[in-house]
Amino acid sequence: GESVGLHLPTLSVQEGDNSIINCAYSNSASDYFIWYKQESGKGPQFIIDIRSNMDKRQGQRVTVLLNKTVKHLSLQIAATQPGDSAVYFCAEGYTGRRALTFGSGTRLQVQP
Amino acid sequence: ETGVTQTPRHLVMGMTNKKSLKCEQHLGHNAMYWYKQSAKKPLELMFVYSLEERVENNSVPSRFSPECPNSSHLFLHLHTLQPEDSALYLCASSQEGEGEAFFGQGTRLTVV
Repeated sequence: GESVGLHLPTLSVQEGDNSIINCAYSNSASDYFIWYKQESGKGPQFIIDIRSNMDKRQGQRVTVLLNKTVKHLSLQIAATQPGDSAVYFCAEGYTGRRALTFGSGTRLQVQP
Repeated sequence: ETGVTQTPRHLVMGMTNKKSLKCEQHLGHNAMYWYKQSAKKPLELMFVYSLEERVENNSVPSRFSPECPNSSHLFLHLHTLQPEDSALYLCASSQEGEGEAFFGQGTRLTVV
């Protein structure tokens, strides 16, 4: 399921460090945003979402920050583990349209 | 296991062949999607079905023909494909009004 051949930006971190993955979105009408994780050989898996009326949302070891002024989204992963190694996609959507628009993804490599 | 099952997982076909990809969701969702993930581009939306009716067709060539016989099943019929159609084809489902889409594992298609 990986984007083999796609020259994705890569973030390399040490195990135990915090990771920050960034995403810029383009549609100012988007009112919800989702982060997905895609491991090799698998489809994208939901991590966390956030609505446009919020600027921060926390999950288990993950935090999503939304800055609507500059149309920027970030995913923070605390105490990164080898199992976090994957490609991470942000996706945006808006009420009235069912489908999501995906970013190009960031590859996270966790060094043991 | 996300509740969305795709078959086959891998498919190799010649340019003159006809084949079909199958997707089944066990989540009670009422919207289903086909996405294409290729080596050179991020996730691209192909088709959206809502309540078994096609509501979005993202300028996909006619050699790709979707079918949605009921809210749990989605097919993608393929004929006279080109080598550049080689990609990972992902099926997803969601509940109307909710943003999160659940993805299947994908079908890795190679056109020779």
